[in-house]
Amino acid sequence: QKEVEQDPGPLSVPEGAIVSLNCTYSNSAFQYFMWYRQYSRKGPELLMYTYSSGNKEDGRFTAQVDKSSKYISLFIRDSQPSDSATYLCAMRGGQDNYGQNFVFGPGTRLSVLP
Amino acid sequence: KAGVTQTPRYLIKTRGQQVTLSCSPISGHRSVSWYQQTPGQGLQFLFEYFSETQRNKGNFPGRFSGRQFSNSRSEMNVSTLELGDSALYLCASSRGQGEVEQFFGPGTRLTVL
Repeated sequence: QKEVEQDPGPLSVPEGAIVSLNCTYSNSAFQYFMWYRQYSRKGPELLMYTYSSGNKEDGRFTAQVDKSSKYISLFIRDSQPSDSATYLCAMRGGQDNYGQNFVFGPGTRLSVLP
Repeated sequence: KAGVTQTPRYLIKTRGQQVTLSCSPISGHRSVSWYQQTPGQGLQFLFEYFSETQRNKGNFPGRFSGRQFSNSRSEMNVSTLELGDSALYLCASSRGQGEVEQFFGPGTRLTVL
C-alpha cells in the first residue's frame, strides 16, 4: 500500500459542476496537507495548504482535512475549462519534524468540458 | 518577480552518460528541492539544499547528487544514466528550509536512450 493514495481518474465533468478530489494516507505523522495543480508541460502550482484537521477556503476552492479518517479533499465550485489539469495532493510532517520529506499522491487528471 | 527557472528544458542522453541540470530559485529564496516525476512513481523527493548544504535526502541511489551555490542556485547531477532515469526533473524553491510553500519550476525533461 502506498503512503498516499489518490484516484488517478481521468475525471470528466461539465462546466459549472462541483468537483471533489480526494486523497487517503496512512502516516498519522502528517500535519501539513497541500494541493497542487499541474498543467501539461508545466511544474506543479501550489493551490492551498492546511495544517492539521479542518477546512480552508480560497475563492472557488475548499480544502478539507479529516485526520481521524486520514482523508483529505479538495472541492472546486463552478468548475471552468481552465481548471482542466492534474491535481496532486501532498503531505508532510509538522514543524517539529520538518526534516520529513514531502510525499505526493499520484495525481488526478481532471477535464472540465465546456 | 521572476519564477523558478530550470535549464535545459529538454535533454536526450544515452545510457552510461552523466547529466547536470540547473535550477535558479526565486530571488530571496534560499532553499532548493529537487524532485523526479514519472508516470509510474509520480512525484518523488530527491533532496533539499539550504545554505549550500544538503539538509534532507530521499530514497534514491548515490548516482543522484546535487549542490547549491552561494547565490542559492542549484545543480543536480545524475551519473551512469539508466533507462529508468527518464523523467521530468523538477526544482522547487522556498524561502527557508523545510517550508511548506514551495514554488516549482517548469522542469527538465530527460530522456535516456
